[in-house]
This record gives sequence, C-alpha cells and structure tokens, in this order.
Amino acid sequence: QQQVKQSPQSLIVQKGGIPIINCAYENTAFDYFPWYQQFPGKGPALLIAIRPDVSEKKEGRFTISFNKSAKQFSLHIMDSQPGDSATYFCAASKDNAGNMLTFGGGTRLMVKP
Amino acid sequence: KAGVTQTPRYLIKTRGQQVTLSCSPISGHRSVSWYQQTPGQGLQFLFEYFSETQRNKGNFPGRFSGRQFSNSRSEMNVSTLELGDSALYLCASSSLDRVGQTQYFGPGTRLLVL
Repeated sequence: QQQVKQSPQSLIVQKGGIPIINCAYENTAFDYFPWYQQFPGKGPALLIAIRPDVSEKKEGRFTISFNKSAKQFSLHIMDSQPGDSATYFCAASKDNAGNMLTFGGGTRLMVKP
Repeated sequence: KAGVTQTPRYLIKTRGQQVTLSCSPISGHRSVSWYQQTPGQGLQFLFEYFSETQRNKGNFPGRFSGRQFSNSRSEMNVSTLELGDSALYLCASSSLDRVGQTQYFGPGTRLLVL
C-alpha cells in the first residue's frame, strides 16, 4: 500500500517557470514532511522540510505548501533553472518511527534553457 | 566534514549468492538507515540502526539483515540473492534517531544480480 502518492511522474518546464509537484498521504500519524532532490549517480539530498503546524515554508527558491485537512503538500520551485533538473521525492515520517521515511514515487523534472 | 561513504559502489552477483554492503556515516552520527531504490518500487526503507541497536525495520524478507558497529559503521547483508534484489542500496546517517532529523544519504551501492 503506497502511503505517499506523488504526481506528476515527470515534468518539463521552461527556464524561469514554476514547476509544482504534489504529494498526498494517507496516514494521519505522519508529522514530518521532507522533500529530497536526487541527481543521477548521487544519493538524495534534503531540500526543505515542513511540519503540519505550518501551512507554508520557504527556503530560497523552494516553497512547501501544506494542507493538513486535505492531507496534501506540494513543492514549488520559483524561477526554475536548468540546474534544477533532477528527480524530486516527497517523504513523510512519524514521531515514533525514528528516521524511517516513507517516500513518494518521485518526479523527474527537466528545466529547458 | 566527510560525507556518508558506501562501499563498494558497484557489485555484480549471481542468484543464490550473498552480499555484504558497507556504510560509514558522517563523523558523530549515530543513526544509520538503509533504503532500497528500484525503478518499479521507488525508495523503500529497509532498517535503521542507532547505537548498535535496530530501531526500525521495513517490510522486507528475513534475507535482508544488518548490523551496526560501535564506531557507528553499518553493514547490510542480503543472503540467497534473487534477480529482484537488483537495486541501488542507499545508506543515510543522522545524528539522532528521532523524527525531524536531517538524513544525509551516501551515493549508494548499485547491485546487479544475474
């Protein structure tokens, strides 16, 4: 059972565009929601994370929007650049599960020059 | 500070063999988690170790096992390899074993089972 559903699977935008990646979760016990970026041949790297007590968090060009009632959260990348081309994963974890992350299926983003 | 290192980076085995993968966490980190990444199933949690104790375990068969040493280095072992075990195995370390900790991933070990 996939507990975190991510969409779209792939996304192509022009440089300067604002790609949006969406995730939905089922388990209401989740209380930490990180986003990871992965380049080919590398392990995932943490981009930004949010807790359910806030509805939005910004770090540089990356913004997470969180809707607790809908059990959905999304990643927006402002002024996207070709260097942002990578695979993005949303994830979730819960308080009594240590560092165990449940990942979404991933979104392959391509930013065209 | 050096990042998470994993050895070997690439490995080819045949069905029925066993394999041991190694992970050295960031200095000072005591939590090590392992994940399997495949095109079909994505990233799936295998297990987490903290201070030499397994703290959490994912939904994988008993052929997958791990351990952590007193210096926080960790190994995972897969016995009786199957074709479906071909994957990128990622190790991640963090300073504590509680939710909200930043996990730092290594580059992974790519295992091919023939």
